[in-house]
Amino acid sequence: DQQVKQNSPSLSVQEGRISILNCDYTNSMFDYFLWYKKYPAEGPTFLISISSIKDKNEDGRFTVFLNKSAKHLSLHIVPSQPGDSAVYFCGISNFGNEKLTFGTGTRLTIIP
Amino acid sequence: DAGVTQSPTHLIKTRGQQVTLRCSPKSGHDTVSWYQQALGQGPQFIFQYYEEEERQRGNFPDRFSGHQFPNYSSELNVNALLLGDSALYLCASRMTPEQTGELFFGEGSRLTVL
Repeated sequence: DQQVKQNSPSLSVQEGRISILNCDYTNSMFDYFLWYKKYPAEGPTFLISISSIKDKNEDGRFTVFLNKSAKHLSLHIVPSQPGDSAVYFCGISNFGNEKLTFGTGTRLTIIP
Repeated sequence: DAGVTQSPTHLIKTRGQQVTLRCSPKSGHDTVSWYQQALGQGPQFIFQYYEEEERQRGNFPDRFSGHQFPNYSSELNVNALLLGDSALYLCASRMTPEQTGELFFGEGSRLTVL
């Protein structure tokens, strides 16, 4: 039973354009949502988060959108840069709960 | 400021053997979690340690056990290894009572079971 789904295993985007990564979840009780980025041979690094009381959070080139009714989370990167090429995981949890449930990841490739 | 460090980085074992993986949390962190990342999958939560006790556990069999030491470092032990235990094992730490859920991950220990 996959509680968190990232339906696009890979995505290629031209440098300078917008990258949009998507994540769907099934349990409406989740209240905290995060995106992690992972380079080869490195551990995942935290990128941006959003709580269920918000529908948008921005940090520089990165914006996360949350649609609670659709149980859908998205990450927008604009403009995309070659250094953004990595695997992106969405992670979902509850406040005060250590356990993060991750999606299967989307490999983003930025084409120069 | 040292981040999360894990050892060994790579190891190969055979079925039925036992393995111990080690983790030192980021400076100032006292909570350690372990995740298993199989090929093509996202990390899956194994368990969390705080104050030298297992506080929360994911859906993993008892063959997976752990320990946390007074200096907050941690070990993950896996007994009776199966081929399916081949994966990247990630250690993550955070500073309680940090509640945002942000974890700092190490580079992982890649275990291959033959």
